[in-house]
Amino acid sequence: DTEVTQTPKHLVMGMTNKKSLKCEQHMGHRAMYWYKQKAKKPPELMFVYSYEKLSINESVPSRFSPECPNSSLLNLHLHALQPEDSALYLCASSLGWGDKDEQYFGPGTRLTVT
Amino acid sequence: AQTVTQSQPEMSVQEAETVTLSCTYDTSENNYYLFWYKQPPSRQMILVIRQEAYKQQNATENRFSVNFQKAAKSFSLKISDSQLGDTAMYFCAFIEETSGSRLTFGEGTQLTVNP
Repeated sequence: DTEVTQTPKHLVMGMTNKKSLKCEQHMGHRAMYWYKQKAKKPPELMFVYSYEKLSINESVPSRFSPECPNSSLLNLHLHALQPEDSALYLCASSLGWGDKDEQYFGPGTRLTVT
Repeated sequence: AQTVTQSQPEMSVQEAETVTLSCTYDTSENNYYLFWYKQPPSRQMILVIRQEAYKQQNATENRFSVNFQKAAKSFSLKISDSQLGDTAMYFCAFIEETSGSRLTFGEGTQLTVNP
């Protein structure tokens, strides 16, 4: 099983809403990532979890709050977002941080903030 | 700062023909890892091919092959016998030895395969 799943596929939320994105993998990977991708642009790294601990936060605004409940799950909690936060949010995983191995990407959640 | 440059924002090719996507990068490190990722429209990003900088032999994966020129810091992707399903955005990326697993992406090349 080389699959990273993400739910929901699409999300529309108002600026005062609270919502969560979910990511799951069952490949035994110990590194998990959140990326933000704007149309026709490369993914931008947001957060990295290694062995369920937050290793990297790329100066992401606090309205984005990541969580890693266990080694297979990664959540991204959203609160008080701005319209410019509308984007495709990608989750990825790899064997381990520092392993230089392939990152497996999920299909993404397309987020629209109204 | 490390950078990746893909100088061709868009390319098109006829089905069954061969196309080459260019990529150059800049790093001061001697060891690093290079990747080409493919992102079809509304589908998830997948790895096409990977090359370790310490390996002189160019990586190949079925119809996909790379021309890795370490001295020139060039890493081009050749797609042979192009198929309609190859239509996608292609991102060149690399990981430096000292950067953990941080992927540095290029801006991407949108490839369209025409019937």
